[in-house]
Amino acid sequence: DGGITQSPKYLFRKEGQNVTLSCEQNLNHDAMYWYRQDPGQGLRLIYYSQIVNDFQKGDIAEGYSVSREKKESFPLTVTSAQKNPTAFYLCASSIGTGTVNTEAFFGQGTRLTVV
Amino acid sequence: QQPVQSPQAVILREGEDAVINCSSSKALYSVHWYRQKHGEAPIFLMILLKGGEQKGHDKTSASFNEKKQQSSLYLTASQLSYSGTYFCGTESRAGNMLTFGGGTRLMVKP
Repeated sequence: DGGITQSPKYLFRKEGQNVTLSCEQNLNHDAMYWYRQDPGQGLRLIYYSQIVNDFQKGDIAEGYSVSREKKESFPLTVTSAQKNPTAFYLCASSIGTGTVNTEAFFGQGTRLTVV
Repeated sequence: QQPVQSPQAVILREGEDAVINCSSSKALYSVHWYRQKHGEAPIFLMILLKGGEQKGHDKTSASFNEKKQQSSLYLTASQLSYSGTYFCGTESRAGNMLTFGGGTRLMVKP
């Protein structure tokens, strides 16, 4: 079955530690995205990548880093520089660039709690 | 910049209709609509492209006014399963980043 997988579902970390959230897709999609969702809030774009070895900052990239070494994988690192990292993180993918876009497929999310 | 959705929340009785609006300050190439149940991943409902092309589930109805940079999602004869948070996502050009609005919380009561 094709899909997009995020792991882990729940993650607890101590303040000041870096943590990496995994996102893998086997849909052969070029574009991948990371969003942050706070309680009762919308989806805010952290980073996105349209092709391997290339990515762009979204609206709230400060305190986060990403890599796109493989088409299937787009891990997100939440660094100690992120002031308020506790949130629900969603990864998504779509076919990508082109004149006709298609829907984004979302993973099930990772709920990060920093204590 | 994020699109603006209205209303922020709406409560319906089963069978009633609702309209959710999405407005952008930038010219739009496409508008996407998604629904999210609490604690779950958003699921795709519909995409509306500049020029009139649409793709989505048969039960979903929406409009896209390119000049006004606005889109509306129409929920008719609502069912309990329609409850959730609805998000619009916008692209300013083909293949550009997808930016979402703040969401509209919909509750359908029996």
